[in-house]
Amino acid sequence: DTGVSQDPRHKITKRGQNVTFRCDPISEHNRLYWYRQTLGQGPEFLTYFQNEAQLEKSRLLSDRFSAERPKGSFSTLEIQRTEQGDSAMYLCASSGRTGPETQYFGPGTRLLVL
Amino acid sequence: AQSVTQPDIHITVSEGASLELRCNYSYGATPYLFWYVQSPGQGLQLLLKYFSGDTLVQGIKGFEAEFKRSQSSFNLRKPSVHWSDAAEYFCAVGVRGGYQKVTFGIGTKLQVIP
Repeated sequence: DTGVSQDPRHKITKRGQNVTFRCDPISEHNRLYWYRQTLGQGPEFLTYFQNEAQLEKSRLLSDRFSAERPKGSFSTLEIQRTEQGDSAMYLCASSGRTGPETQYFGPGTRLLVL
Repeated sequence: AQSVTQPDIHITVSEGASLELRCNYSYGATPYLFWYVQSPGQGLQLLLKYFSGDTLVQGIKGFEAEFKRSQSSFNLRKPSVHWSDAAEYFCAVGVRGGYQKVTFGIGTKLQVIP
């Protein structure tokens, strides 16, 4: 069990550019979550995958955001036409059970939009 | 919808002193409850969780929490704080049934002074 990994750990971009983040969950986990955490706040739910199916998206996930999990393993989160308000920590979590479950978090990707 | 309140944004304790971090939740039924810790620039690490059964839950690093249904609380405690406990602590509530959509509190930042 190597834990949840995320890449990159830090990203600085200019407003209007597109960025993509990757999350590799714990290998046997079929559930994957993305959260966003802004300064001074707790993480906020963005979206959830069970295997390759995206089953829920938060209203926080505007049309500029898209997430995929093509083979039910790693996931990507893309932000198009970034805005300064997108600056945040993007956290990925995975879990592997139905019913009561524990989500295990990755180290996060810190995004700064200039 | 569920919600979490952490009334203390910032707490300072002396090393060796006892600690209690407060958490109140709002949910129509018995929730799943979690405490996570986050060091600066890092992801979230699970300290402990409550699903059912014994209302006093033991976690890692000497932490414990008690679920009090009558008070809708899940306070985190540690009898003797170490300097390495300085971090931000998040209480979270999960919904029973379906996938685990977790709602986090705003966090309590713990400072430990010598």
